[in-house]
Amino acid sequence: GENVEQHPSTLSVQEGDSAVIKCTYSDSASNYFPWYKQELGKRPQLIIDIRSNVGEKKDQRIAVTLNKTAKHFSLHITETQPEDSAVYFCAASVIQGAQKLVFGQGTRLTINP
Amino acid sequence: NAGVTQTPKFQVLKTGQSMTLQCAQDMNHEYMSWYRQDPGMGLRLIHYSVGAGITDQGEVPNGYNVSRSTTEDFPLRLLSAAPSQTSVYFCASKTRTSGTSYEQYFGPGTRLTVT
Repeated sequence: GENVEQHPSTLSVQEGDSAVIKCTYSDSASNYFPWYKQELGKRPQLIIDIRSNVGEKKDQRIAVTLNKTAKHFSLHITETQPEDSAVYFCAASVIQGAQKLVFGQGTRLTINP
Repeated sequence: NAGVTQTPKFQVLKTGQSMTLQCAQDMNHEYMSWYRQDPGMGLRLIHYSVGAGITDQGEVPNGYNVSRSTTEDFPLRLLSAAPSQTSVYFCASKTRTSGTSYEQYFGPGTRLTVT
């Protein structure tokens, strides 16, 4: 089955700097890669996703890149703000059907003012 | 729309007790899933359903049962609670309709402690 590894487990950056979180996956059949943000005590919320037919996707200060050959994908947050502090999870699945997400272990991002 | 709702928010059980975690969605989504989240870990899929009357096992199904009698509801039953089932449980739903959004919508979670 699918296995998703996520690094780093914790990340601390200065406000205004960029943050990068990386994930690798094992199953070449996976074709959908969402990123979720989870604040303390809250539900996971989708912040950006990418399909395997696209190499990069941007939404304002966040972007995701995908390298299918190497089976890895990354989240990039630019101009970080204090409200970006949260735990971020990557996931992988087949987009068709019930979308059985396999999650990475999470990255706790702290933005220092 | 209320989206995905879960009850209760918190629950404490003794080992061996049984209970049902409730999940409902009002978005007419065909797909529904249950995940558990343990400290320091990502979410893991317990069971999922692709429509009323159809359920299947996920990554960690042991000790849990599900049923899907209606499109809206997808309860998760713990048959005989064990301390290893202490976790936060999230229900999620997704539309079958493909298009520009493939998002799974998560409920607020149920924090379960088994003593």
